[in-house]
Amino acid sequence: EPEVTQTPSHQVTQMGQEVILRCVPISNHLYFYWYRQILGQKVEFLVSFYNNEISEKSEIFDDQFSVERPDGSNFTLKIRSTKLEDSAMYFCASSEVRTGGGQYFGPGTRLLVL
Amino acid sequence: QQQVKQSPQSLIVQKGGISIINCAYENTAFDYFPWYQQFPGKGPALLIAIRPDVSEKKEGRFTISFNKSAKQFSLHIMDSQPGDSATYFCAATTDNYGQNFVFGPGTRLSVLP
Repeated sequence: EPEVTQTPSHQVTQMGQEVILRCVPISNHLYFYWYRQILGQKVEFLVSFYNNEISEKSEIFDDQFSVERPDGSNFTLKIRSTKLEDSAMYFCASSEVRTGGGQYFGPGTRLLVL
Repeated sequence: QQQVKQSPQSLIVQKGGISIINCAYENTAFDYFPWYQQFPGKGPALLIAIRPDVSEKKEGRFTISFNKSAKQFSLHIMDSQPGDSATYFCAATTDNYGQNFVFGPGTRLSVLP
């Protein structure tokens, strides 16, 4: 069964450093998303992406964040200058349709900012 | 308006029992309500979903009940098994460009053998 994959599974970085989290969505999906989940808390929406542009973003997704689909398969989340509070699990998701179909989540990248 | 409330925060059920998790929303524009199951260290996995044009949807041991007038929906897990022990999130979204899912805070379910 097709699945969303994410790399790395864990990332430790120093505060102020840039990190890039990578995702390979399900191949025939057109809509892509990033979410984060701070330990023990609910899943929070960051951004959605369609047709090579951001379609919606939350208040969390400030100027430190950017997303890109550099080729036909990868979807990346970049955090330019990490802060301690960016420590969380980051999930990529994809969906085939804009609505009415579920979003399929990857296994996540656990980011720890020291 | 964008919040989805979920209860209980945690739930302990005996094997074979029924697990019931409730969610409530305010935004009447929400029109798609999925439930996600998350095991520790894993991403949320779509379990079952419903649209407001039906009051109930059943898939195996999992049933969603939907009350549009009360703006509430619930997940029922029949014949709960220890393998069902996980965190369950309800979510809601609108039929608009972007599909921003709003998640509830989650319910940690433990099914005792």
